[in-house]
Amino acid sequence: AQKVTQAQTEISVVEKEDVTLDCVYETRDTTYYLFWYKQPPSGELVFLIRRNSFDEQNEISGRYSWNFQKSTSSFNFTITASQVVDSAVYFCALSESDTDKLIFGTGTRLQVFP
Amino acid sequence: EPEVTQTPSHQVTQMGQEVILRCVPISNHLYFYWYRQILGQKVEFLVSFYNNEISEKSEIFDDQFSVERPDGSNFTLKIRSTKLEDSAMYFCASSLSSYNEQFFGPGTRLTVL
Repeated sequence: AQKVTQAQTEISVVEKEDVTLDCVYETRDTTYYLFWYKQPPSGELVFLIRRNSFDEQNEISGRYSWNFQKSTSSFNFTITASQVVDSAVYFCALSESDTDKLIFGTGTRLQVFP
Repeated sequence: EPEVTQTPSHQVTQMGQEVILRCVPISNHLYFYWYRQILGQKVEFLVSFYNNEISEKSEIFDDQFSVERPDGSNFTLKIRSTKLEDSAMYFCASSLSSYNEQFFGPGTRLTVL
């Protein structure tokens, strides 16, 4: 069965610190897709990244980077030099090849203090 | 930049009443979804919709729920007889194709009294 685990419920950092949000997934499929979404205090869900299971290249977008490791079924998200505006709940999600529904993790609340 | 919109932003209703939540997906998208998030909890899939029919639904999406695309732009979620436990944030999402990223609307907060 598919499952997404975000073991870190809440993380607090001081501005300019780097922070890594962990995501571990379970699936029996060989083809699947992984996502990260940001939910700021205003409540909307903002798409950050999509990765398919055949693409293990790490990705960097500005201060954001993602480390996809199939060997450990992990898709971790790092924010470099965090800013107060990064404060949000971050959700990792999975979809399998026979469905396009997103299975979300429980989220990690990131608080960045000035 | 095109975005998914939802109305109303907040709906308060009495238990047993019918509610309709409305969404306007991104115009060239073909796949539509509803999710819900009970306060402080994770986001849960309700239903997916493609080519004017439901393609998948979760256990939550029972006979009290229905979806419709009444015209070329709107996508609605109806709850026939609301229960207290239906109180949640309801998100609409759309995507260009299956397995593509889903873009979410701002949500409708439903409060059932």
